Amino acid sequence: GDSVTQMEGPVTLSEEAFLTINCTYTATGYPSLFWYVQYPGEGLQLLLKATKADDKGSNKGFEATYRKETTSFHLEKGSVQVSDSAVYFCALKASLDTGANSKLTFGKGITLSVRP
Amino acid sequence: DGGITQSPKYLFRKEGQNVTLSCEQNLNHDAMYWYRQDPGQGLRLIYYSQIVNDFQKGDIAEGYSVSREKKESFPLTVTSAQKNPTAFYLCASSWAGVMNTEAFFGQGTRLTVV
Repeated sequence: GDSVTQMEGPVTLSEEAFLTINCTYTATGYPSLFWYVQYPGEGLQLLLKATKADDKGSNKGFEATYRKETTSFHLEKGSVQVSDSAVYFCALKASLDTGANSKLTFGKGITLSVRP
Repeated sequence: DGGITQSPKYLFRKEGQNVTLSCEQNLNHDAMYWYRQDPGQGLRLIYYSQIVNDFQKGDIAEGYSVSREKKESFPLTVTSAQKNPTAFYLCASSWAGVMNTEAFFGQGTRLTVV
């Protein structure tokens, strides 16, 4: 079945540091890929997405590129802020959006803490 | 404003009691989902529904039940058969039959068994 693997956490960075959070996936065909963010005590918010190979999703300074050859969708940000402290989830949606394939499959999430 | 509303935000239950978590959406989405979140385990799918009066079990359906009588509503009942119900529960919705669309999430309900 489909699966998403995220790097182990937690991650602690100083403000203005460079961020990379690794995400790899296993799926048939060409799934859509997503990054969600969860702030303390809240639900998940979509951060960015990419729907085909070589697409780059971007939002709020975060970027991720859909790499079919390495089955990866790593999240990056050039300069993190304290307000970026949250839990980040990588997710995929199967390429055939019918029936069971419409659900999202999530990684385990990683907690990012940014120090002033 | 369109969105998904979960209630209550916090819920306490005594062992042996059933409890129902509410999820309502006004996004006109066909599909709705319930996920359970535990520390270090990510999100696990409990049940999902693609259409009114139809739903399917997810990966961890045991001890839970759902109904989908209206497009806007997808309540989750945590029964006394669920051995470890303390968790954060998230409801989501999305378009069905549309490729590449994301899911939208509610703010969650934190259930604690006391």
